Amino acid sequence: ITLKESGPTLARPKESLTLTCTFSGFSLSTSGVGVGWIRQPPGKALEWLALIYWNEDKRYNPSLKRRLTITKDTSKNQVVLTMTNLDPVDTATYFCARTIPMTWDHWGQGSLFTVSS
Amino acid sequence: QSALTQPASVSGSPGQSITISCTGTSSDVGAFNYVSWYQQHPGKVPNLLIYDVNKRPSGVSNRFSASKSGDTASLTISGLQAEDDADYYCSSYTRSSTWVFGGGTRLTVL
Repeated sequence: ITLKESGPTLARPKESLTLTCTFSGFSLSTSGVGVGWIRQPPGKALEWLALIYWNEDKRYNPSLKRRLTITKDTSKNQVVLTMTNLDPVDTATYFCARTIPMTWDHWGQGSLFTVSS
Repeated sequence: QSALTQPASVSGSPGQSITISCTGTSSDVGAFNYVSWYQQHPGKVPNLLIYDVNKRPSGVSNRFSASKSGDTASLTISGLQAEDDADYYCSSYTRSSTWVFGGGTRLTVL
């Protein structure tokens, strides 16, 4: 099982971010499986962002919900996260990870993203 | 939702045992038996150590054990080794069907 994040490395404040998680070794059409996003600002703790389940059920961090959208393309084995209205505090390493109820058992290598003018 | 509370740092000597606490509320840690623990070495990806409060994935050393009482979960590492020097995070599923992580604990093996 592997997951890999891809996307831009830099954006300006107020812009939007689109990150793609491409995975292999499992299917997001399997009952109970989900893929989500977790970020980690430099030197700080992990923060859960969003999750999409095999059945299209979506969950968001309440404090970021207005700015996040998560979608999936099962045929391409991809999950996409969009974050709007970026701020420098959004600078972080963004991880995608698989969840099988109820834990995050496989993680991508992470993608460092910086918000700066 | 607020982050789960963990001590910022703990330390121990090789061979000793240490325990890291993770305090939440009745809406997360206390609500379900869905607490997990992760180990993260600097610059590396978090690695799952414990899931469902006290279950170890295949390949994780039995030196790692965990439990939960009420709104507080605990991770114990016995027989400390130099390679255990890392950051440790707890996480919990919540009543809102979301996830929350702890603030992380830096373990220093002296």
